[in-house]
Amino acid sequence: DTGVSQDPRHKITKRGQNVTFRCDPISEHNRLYWYRQTLGQGPEFLTYFQNEAQLEKSRLLSDRFSAERPKGSFSTLEIQRTEQGDSAMYLCASSSQQGAVREKLFFGSGTQLSVL
Amino acid sequence: EDKVVQSPLSLVVHEGDTVTLNCSYEVTNFRSLLWYKQEKKAPTFLFMLTSSGIEKKSGRLSSILDKKELFSILNITATQTGDSAVYLCAVGMETSGSRLTFGEGTQLTVNP
Repeated sequence: DTGVSQDPRHKITKRGQNVTFRCDPISEHNRLYWYRQTLGQGPEFLTYFQNEAQLEKSRLLSDRFSAERPKGSFSTLEIQRTEQGDSAMYLCASSSQQGAVREKLFFGSGTQLSVL
Repeated sequence: EDKVVQSPLSLVVHEGDTVTLNCSYEVTNFRSLLWYKQEKKAPTFLFMLTSSGIEKKSGRLSSILDKKELFSILNITATQTGDSAVYLCAVGMETSGSRLTFGEGTQLTVNP
């Protein structure tokens, strides 16, 4: 169990630029989640995958956000035409599909995005 | 709309004190309630509760769920400075796959 890893740890970008984040889940986990967290708030759900299928997207998720998990392993989250309001910590998590523990999410350390 | 509310939002105590953190929820089709500890970046799992009245314990931490009154508490006894963190409560629902809805968190500071 090497844990969930995210890259990069920090990203500073100018408004209007595109950014892409990567998440590598725990290897035996087939569920992968993206959350966003701003200062003083709890994580807010963005989207989740089971294997390569994107099963749910938050209705709050702008069309500028897109996520992929092409081979059911790592995932990428892209934000196009970034805005200052996109500044946040982007957390990735993974879990096993097995019944009772599927909600036990293991989180990565996040990517801190700052949009100037 | 599904809601998870934690209280207090922040708490400052001295080492050795006992603290109780609260989490109430209003959600459809409740499935589970989870507690996480977030020190700097990654939230780390503490407990998952699905049944009322059954206390879960891990060292100085314990938690219990009341599904009738729709709340959970997290107790920490004999607090240490290493307990300083944000404690997050999250709820899973039958209709939401395994997506969790989080509360705002309680910022706990333990002073020596």
